Formats: sequence, C-alpha cells, structure tokens
Amino acid sequence: QVQLVESGGGLVKPGGSLRLSCAASGFTFSDYYMSWIRQAPGKGLEWVSYISNSDTKYFADSVRGRFTISRDNAKNSLYLEMNSLRAEDTAMYYCARGTWFGEFYFDYWGQGTLVTVSS
Amino acid sequence: EVLLTQSPATLSLSPGERATLSCRASQSISSYVAWYQQKPGQAPRLLIYDTAKRATGIPARFSGSGSGTDFTLTISNLEPEDFAVYYCQQRSSWPLFGPGTKVDIK
Repeated sequence: QVQLVESGGGLVKPGGSLRLSCAASGFTFSDYYMSWIRQAPGKGLEWVSYISNSDTKYFADSVRGRFTISRDNAKNSLYLEMNSLRAEDTAMYYCARGTWFGEFYFDYWGQGTLVTVSS
Repeated sequence: EVLLTQSPATLSLSPGERATLSCRASQSISSYVAWYQQKPGQAPRLLIYDTAKRATGIPARFSGSGSGTDFTLTISNLEPEDFAVYYCQQRSSWPLFGPGTKVDIK
C-alpha cells in the first residue's frame, strides 16, 4: 500500500536551517508529482512546494528563495531544504502525492513532521 | 489572486443529519475544487475532486456540487466518524486551501 513517511523535523532557532525527508513506498515514485504542505498549530493547510516527475519546481511566495525541493527517485525520497527559518514557518510539514487526474490534488499524505522555529 | 472562504466556520449536527458545507472563491475557478477531511492528529484525506468526483474508497454519502465561484460539500446521513474538519481546495492556479469548516456533534 502507498506509504509516505516524513522525518527531519525538530526545534531550530530563527535563521537556522533544516532538511526534511519523505520516504515513499507502495507506488512508482518516479512517476508522480510530489508536494510539501504545511499546517501551523491549530491553523489551516498551506501548500509550500511542488516538484514534478521531470524536476519542474514551484514554491509558495512565503518560502520562495528560502526553501528548496528535490527528489531522489533511486531512493524513493522527497526532500525539503529549509533555510533562513522564521517563527512563522513553525508547522507540521506533510509530504503529499499529486494525483494522476491533477498534480495539485493530493491523494496520499504522510503523517507529518513537526518543525518548531523558536529561540 | 484567488481567495477561498468557507462557511459556516462550525456546524453542529447530530448523527443521521445532513451536513451542507459551503466554499466560495473570489473569482471563477471552473470546476477545479477538491474537498478534504481532517481528523485530530491525522493527515487530511481526499474526499472529492473536480467539484463532484468521489476519490477512491469514499462513501456515497459524500457528494460535491457547484461551479464557478460557489461550491458545496454535502454529507447525507452523518456517521459518527464524519465529525471532523473539512477543507476545500482549488487548483485553478497554485494550490490554495480554504480555512475549513468544523463539523461537530450537537
């Protein structure tokens, strides 16, 4: 069955960096578009970044220039490199798979990894 | 830039009742709307896409409708497991989620 497992979250100081990983299994990872979506504590969902199966990348305005998305199809893994972190980046970060009927619909999600930015 | 609003913010209903959730866009987004269900401590689950198409494994009591700027998720005959937060999402441009509607037990 499809599984997405995020890791790499934790407590980081403002201005710091963190690298999130998402391990995928149960499907042909290289065929699918993938995204990172975050949710601040008690708040709604915010799309963060997208990478296509041909390495096209998009970012939300709130993270562009600070975050980088990448994938390693040989390792069935998705990554989010986060730099210059701010308090407002504090959130649960989910990796999510884009659907075959629309790359910006999300049919499978991981359980998330929590990032806390605080001094 | 498209904005999404959802109403009501909270809907208090009893099991067996019908839930009608609204999602409104600030400009036309064609039929590119999805609905997700999120329970506490869990990731969201895709229910509906392209306004009215049920995702794999979603019960028939969930249905979607609408077009242009106004969209509705209807849950007929609420089951105990349906009490959750529901988000609409548009994909006509960058993915954008609405603020959510909480369906709680009356």
